[in-house]
Amino acid sequence: GQSLEQPSEVTAVEGAIVQINCTYQTSGFYGLSWYQQHDGGAPTFLSYNALDGLEETGRFSSFLSRSDSYGYLLLQELQMKDSASYFCAVREGGATNKLIFGTGTLLAVQP
Amino acid sequence: NAGVMQNPRHLVRRRGQEARLRCSPMKGHSHVYWYRQLPEEGLKFMVYLQKENIIDESGMPKERFSAEFPKEGPSILRIQQVVRGDSAAYFCASRLDTVSGNTIYFGEGSWLTVV
Repeated sequence: GQSLEQPSEVTAVEGAIVQINCTYQTSGFYGLSWYQQHDGGAPTFLSYNALDGLEETGRFSSFLSRSDSYGYLLLQELQMKDSASYFCAVREGGATNKLIFGTGTLLAVQP
Repeated sequence: NAGVMQNPRHLVRRRGQEARLRCSPMKGHSHVYWYRQLPEEGLKFMVYLQKENIIDESGMPKERFSAEFPKEGPSILRIQQVVRGDSAAYFCASRLDTVSGNTIYFGEGSWLTVV
């Protein structure tokens, strides 16, 4: 079967660093994406890893280890506006390139 | 460059009625995906379409649900004889028609409430 596992909730304080982990088991794998979704809003693309290693985009970084079927999203210098749900998603490739999403991690940033 | 446009944003239907959700992809995008999100859950893949073709409908319920992406006009997700369990947010996403088009971009969603 296909599954992507994430912690359901994470709480951190403003200015801190938080890491959201994702382990996956899918029939195909062409990359790992991360999306942010504020309550009632559209999922917004954050980052994409096709190869092992760290990708950095401003305060957000994403890591992938294909041999471990594992990745994480690192958020630095947390701000209140970072409070949202974060989803990892595997790009299956093949004819569809569809994304299979994880269950999501609700991040609560406290003052 | 407008993003993915979905309408209506909110739709209320009585049980047994039909719901039609529309999606216009980003300019230059010819690949459309529909996802469903139940409250406090992740996004579940429903269907993937290119112009005039359904490529992958493995996530679509076998009955009452259909999708199309005609040569002209928006993609439409149609739900016939809606039931309360169809209440959810339905997100459309689009992608560039290139090998490197690995990012899909989502619309704001259509919230369906069945009463």
